[in-house]
Amino acid sequence: DTAVSQTPKYLVTQMGNDKSIKCEQNLGHDTMYWYKQDSKKFLKIMFSYNNKELIINETVPNRFSPKSPDKAHLNLHINSLELGDSAVYFCASSPRGTGAAGSPYEQYFGPGTRLTVT
Amino acid sequence: GNSVTQMEGPVTLSEEAFLTINCTYTATGYPSLFWYVQYPGEGLQLLLKATKADDKGSNKGFEATYRKETTSFHLEKGSVQVSDSAVYFCALNRDNDKIIFGKGTRLHILP
Repeated sequence: DTAVSQTPKYLVTQMGNDKSIKCEQNLGHDTMYWYKQDSKKFLKIMFSYNNKELIINETVPNRFSPKSPDKAHLNLHINSLELGDSAVYFCASSPRGTGAAGSPYEQYFGPGTRLTVT
Repeated sequence: GNSVTQMEGPVTLSEEAFLTINCTYTATGYPSLFWYVQYPGEGLQLLLKATKADDKGSNKGFEATYRKETTSFHLEKGSVQVSDSAVYFCALNRDNDKIIFGKGTRLHILP
């Protein structure tokens, strides 16, 4: 029944390693997102995909690479992990809006993946 | 550019107190406005929303009214419970695919 799921829930790894976080949604939504939440709870969008096409790419180091094999999945791969990458990463999805400004559609969030880089 | 400003926390109240969390926004045109809530150890979930001026969103005893003239969307609840302890995020959607979040307000309710 889980609408947006992420794996793993916790990820502890050493600097320099490469890791991936997976996200799946069963809501039939067209658009998926990755957010990073820092220790002060500040939430920042990283990427957004619509029907497997990248539509938002904020200023994120190119060590972060999203991959969308189909519109129900959006994975996040991180190369050469750094201490500053430690955070909680949230996946989200929403229906595609009409194309008009001020979309009424909310986003549905996964439970988060807590990444700790040591 | 588009932005959301909400009051900094933490906000600490006693059970059954009245709650207001202020939120103001900057955006051109008519954004949709949202309040999300994040309970400890969980992801964000939508609490309420309003899509046009003077709309009132409500859910679980919480309310917020879309005020175009003051560019505000303050969250209120008449009588808070311990279970309302969480982080609350005000947000707007102006560009259809990108929601802009405020920095969050942590709420502590004491029994």
